[in-house]
Amino acid sequence: AQTVTQSQPEMSVQEAETVTLSCTYDTSESNYYLFWYKQPPSRQMILVIRQEAYKQQNATENRFSVNFQKAAKSFSLKISDSQLGDTAMYFCAFMNPGGTSYGKLTFGQGTILTVHP
Amino acid sequence: NAGVTQTPKFRILKIGQSMTLQCAQDMNHNYMYWYRQDPGMGLKLIYYSVGAGITDKGEVPNGYNVSRSTTEDFPLRLELAAPSQTSVYFCASTWGGSSPLHFGNGTRLTVT
Repeated sequence: AQTVTQSQPEMSVQEAETVTLSCTYDTSESNYYLFWYKQPPSRQMILVIRQEAYKQQNATENRFSVNFQKAAKSFSLKISDSQLGDTAMYFCAFMNPGGTSYGKLTFGQGTILTVHP
Repeated sequence: NAGVTQTPKFRILKIGQSMTLQCAQDMNHNYMYWYRQDPGMGLKLIYYSVGAGITDKGEVPNGYNVSRSTTEDFPLRLELAAPSQTSVYFCASTWGGSSPLHFGNGTRLTVT
């Protein structure tokens, strides 16, 4: 079974600064997906970014980028130019896409990010 | 586009009562899922379905049942509510392949 660990329960950052959220995972699979989801106080689950394990290039979506270290089983999220609207709980998640496993996500415990003005 | 619709948004149950959480999607997705999120925690998979008539257990299925008679609907049934089932419940769906999950807005359930 896969496990996902987020070791930072809470983080804070000043508006316009950069922050990095950490995530490590454990798996014996070679092909998998990793995700970062954002959950604002509205409790919506919003996909921030996705990384496919077989792609060496780190995924980027506007101000959000990841540092994917496959050998170290590490998947951190960097948020540049932080905005007040980035305040939310962030979840790291793992998925093995094989067969009927698609969509069966394993989530980390979450990191609460607060952006201060 | 409605996406994934969950009803109700909030519900309070007494111990031993039963209820059904509704989930409907209008995207013709084959794959559907039920997750629960306990306070301050990540989501855990309760049940999932890969198509109409096919369901299977996830990580935490005890105390729940599901059915999938149509592609659109995937209701979650609680038969004898217990305080341990106090949680926020999310339904999600996807095409499969490289498509992302679409989540509903959740149902907050309190059992007292």
